[in-house]
Amino acid sequence: DSGVTQTPKHLITATGQRVTLRCSPRSGDLSVYWYQQSLDQGLQFLIQYYNGEERAKGNILERFSAQQFPDLHSELNLSSLELGDSALYFCASSVTLTSVPGELFFGEGSRLTVL
Amino acid sequence: GDSVTQMEGPVTLSEEAFLTINCTYTATGYPSLFWYVQYPGEGLQLLLKATKADDKGSNKGFEATYRKETTSFHLEKGSVQVSDSAVYFCALSENNQGGKLIFGQGTELSVKP
Repeated sequence: DSGVTQTPKHLITATGQRVTLRCSPRSGDLSVYWYQQSLDQGLQFLIQYYNGEERAKGNILERFSAQQFPDLHSELNLSSLELGDSALYFCASSVTLTSVPGELFFGEGSRLTVL
Repeated sequence: GDSVTQMEGPVTLSEEAFLTINCTYTATGYPSLFWYVQYPGEGLQLLLKATKADDKGSNKGFEATYRKETTSFHLEKGSVQVSDSAVYFCALSENNQGGKLIFGQGTELSVKP
């Protein structure tokens, strides 16, 4: 158990809909990262937050947005869903920006299926 | 931009065989290098890391050496077990990038008894 909690574990929805994925980082971790894992794209970095502020942005679509709340949990919002958005979405956390960069703790993922 | 390339899978081995999974990287700076492992139905777990050239990361019998001259970080294990069956990801993180990881495409390992 990594200590990172993601909900829901599975989600099935229709094209055009909007969903919210939630992540609770490990206790004490200030940084949250979102990744998308799909068969054709592999593991893609989406976005990072550190202590409530956006820190880095990767290949995140404009239809997707995220935020980190004062209690450090994070939400990833996916809107106007398309079939191609079907993927496993991972959240990861780390302690601070001065920790060993890249030493992340991953949740078990939220599997999104868009029909 | 930075990138990681690892050998394609799936790799199928018999128990106690020697394992090598190749990984090479492209980076503008001096990244830290990682191997993460993903067991079926689980999230990724850090397996080992190396933060500078010539460092050797090791854990659970797995090893990898950071080779700056060949920009490589190959994963090895002398004797694999059925329980090592998983997907292995090579990754890098630039020291000025806030910790985000860039992953290779993953290599699926299947170990048969």
